[in-house]
Amino acid sequence: DAKTTQPNSMESNEEEPVHLPCNHSTISGTDYIHWYRQLPSQGPEYVIHGLTSNVNNRMASLAIAEDRKSSTLILHRATLRDAAVYYCIPVQGAQKLVFGQGTRLTINP
Amino acid sequence: KAGVTQTPRYLIKTRGQQVTLSCSPISGHRSVSWYQQTPGQGLQFLFEYFSETQRNKGNFPGRFSGRQFSNSRSEMNVSTLELGDSALYLCASSLALGRETQYFGPGTRLLVL
Repeated sequence: DAKTTQPNSMESNEEEPVHLPCNHSTISGTDYIHWYRQLPSQGPEYVIHGLTSNVNNRMASLAIAEDRKSSTLILHRATLRDAAVYYCIPVQGAQKLVFGQGTRLTINP
Repeated sequence: KAGVTQTPRYLIKTRGQQVTLSCSPISGHRSVSWYQQTPGQGLQFLFEYFSETQRNKGNFPGRFSGRQFSNSRSEMNVSTLELGDSALYLCASSLALGRETQYFGPGTRLLVL
């Protein structure tokens, strides 16, 4: 399983962009990069995933480095509801998700 | 479409007892995975079922077992409970095997006294 490194915590202000980094230098060529988040007292929820090129959806954008050793999750305008623990997870063919410690994001009003 | 449901939501047991937790996946989803979340170890993969067969297993003792029924509903069982089994047990469902998005339930919080 590829190892990931994320900051333990980050803080931002409401309505400002947030860039959450993740290093995954041991990722294999076929691993997709998935991001999940876990809001307080809830199960994790899927945010976005990608393989090589940048990806956008209604929740966030994912920027993947050209060498695929790192990626950045971008929340364009953070809201209080975005306060959560964010997990970056390289995913192989099997369904097993290997969660690291994640980044605890705090949003200030 | 209803999300993943887990029952019961909360459970208190004593050491040595056994417990069965239930998970109903999203309609049409055939893969179910189970995870354990504790403050010390974080989220850890327990096992995954697809078409009533266990396809993948995490590093947990044999006291932890599971099964999947023909309607894709799944149960996990923990026998001879230990204090360290106190945790949030999360179930996730997905359409199929592979790199499919997983949809998590709210979890069952188990307290072992």
